[in-house]
Amino acid sequence: QSVLTQPPSMSAAPGQEVTISCSGSSSNIGNNYVSWYQQFPGTAPKLLIYDNNKRPSGIPDRFSGSKSGTSATLGITGLQTGDEADYYCGTWDYSPTAGRVFGTGTKVTVL
Amino acid sequence: QVQLQQSGPGLVKPSQTLSLTCAISGDTVSSNSAAWAWIRQSPSRGLEWLGRTYYRSRWYSEYAVSVKSRISINADPSKNHFSLQLTSVTPEDTAVYYCARDQWGQDWYFDLWGRGTLVTVSS
Repeated sequence: QSVLTQPPSMSAAPGQEVTISCSGSSSNIGNNYVSWYQQFPGTAPKLLIYDNNKRPSGIPDRFSGSKSGTSATLGITGLQTGDEADYYCGTWDYSPTAGRVFGTGTKVTVL
Repeated sequence: QVQLQQSGPGLVKPSQTLSLTCAISGDTVSSNSAAWAWIRQSPSRGLEWLGRTYYRSRWYSEYAVSVKSRISINADPSKNHFSLQLTSVTPEDTAVYYCARDQWGQDWYFDLWGRGTLVTVSS
């Protein structure tokens, strides 16, 4: 069971913006950096954002990340049909039974 | 271009051992800056980190508490690959299993993933 909570789904029209939240606690997001992953059906996750707000080479600047306290946010501007996918946050959790943890995932639909 | 190529059976019987291998090209399993991880995904459990191995003058392995008594992740530098063994599997271990490279920036993140292997636990 994921310890990072995300909204199950979000939708917006092409060109619009979506903001996906990832809520955690002081044992995970509150004291660690967050990464974000994009996953299309039947494929492996792909790194979108690391160290809270850095983009790997090849990721467009329409994707952005931020963190405040025990929550993190992924923003997608200028939404495109090709952005329709599942998005996951991830970080470390230093509680006794944890380790690396992921969010529950958010399905983004482009209307 | 770094690639991870997974191999292993897609069907395992209950109580037996699940074994998967991840072959690395374009990087080395003995890297002093990366770690090599296994992650699985199922509808009921979502994305679940299983563990990782890495080399820093000697080999280290770290495992998720949920599978710690049943898991082993080992590297073979001569073949430039790393492997996952999960013993005493049950149908709850049915999932897509991914290998991944774990990189360090200001914190750890998975920058490269294998294509995934669907493993079904069934008699």
